[in-house]
Amino acid sequence: EVQLVESGGGLVQPGASLKLSCVASGFTFSDYWMSWVRQTPGKTMEWIGDIKYDGSYTNYAPSLKNRFTISRDNAKSTLYLQMSNVRSEDTATYYCTRDDGTYYEGHWFAYWGQGTLVTVSS
Amino acid sequence: DVQMTQSPSNLAASPGESVSINCKASKSISKYLAWYQQKPGKANKLLIYSGSTLQSGTPSRFSGSGSGTDFTLTIRNLEPEDFGLYYCQQHNEYPWTFGGGTKLELK
Repeated sequence: EVQLVESGGGLVQPGASLKLSCVASGFTFSDYWMSWVRQTPGKTMEWIGDIKYDGSYTNYAPSLKNRFTISRDNAKSTLYLQMSNVRSEDTATYYCTRDDGTYYEGHWFAYWGQGTLVTVSS
Repeated sequence: DVQMTQSPSNLAASPGESVSINCKASKSISKYLAWYQQKPGKANKLLIYSGSTLQSGTPSRFSGSGSGTDFTLTIRNLEPEDFGLYYCQQHNEYPWTFGGGTKLELK
């Protein structure tokens, strides 16, 4: 059974940094692209970025590219999201996803974690 | 970025009825659209990808149609477990983008 378990969320002050983790199990982690997606309190869903199966390539939503960094450790089956200079508008539930698809078909999000809530407030 | 517009935002129906949720892209995305279901306390579930391909485990009462800019998710013979939030997502080009969601409620 595919499982994705996020952690690292919580209350953080504006301007601070935070690193989220996602531990994967039930599939060969190093075979799949992975993404981070967030959902605001108003239920808007936003893709943050993804990382290639070997960690050699990343893509980001243009609006988040300068502050968020995605990485992975295939030996630990763990995906990371480093968030810097956080703002109130980053308050959201953050999900990691396993991506399916191909270069030609694009990526859809076949499996999701339960999410971790990040609240940015002073 | 491709903007995705879902309609309606809210939908009320009764078990046994059929409903349709629409998703419109700001430019052609070929057939590359996915649909997801979100329910409280559960992981989001992929229902359909590439417009009409059912993900393994998706009940056959769900169907997807459309291409280009206009897509539809149809749920026939609603079951009690079908009530929740539904999102579309285009997977034609980066950045992947979502619709605003449709809340399917019990009438």
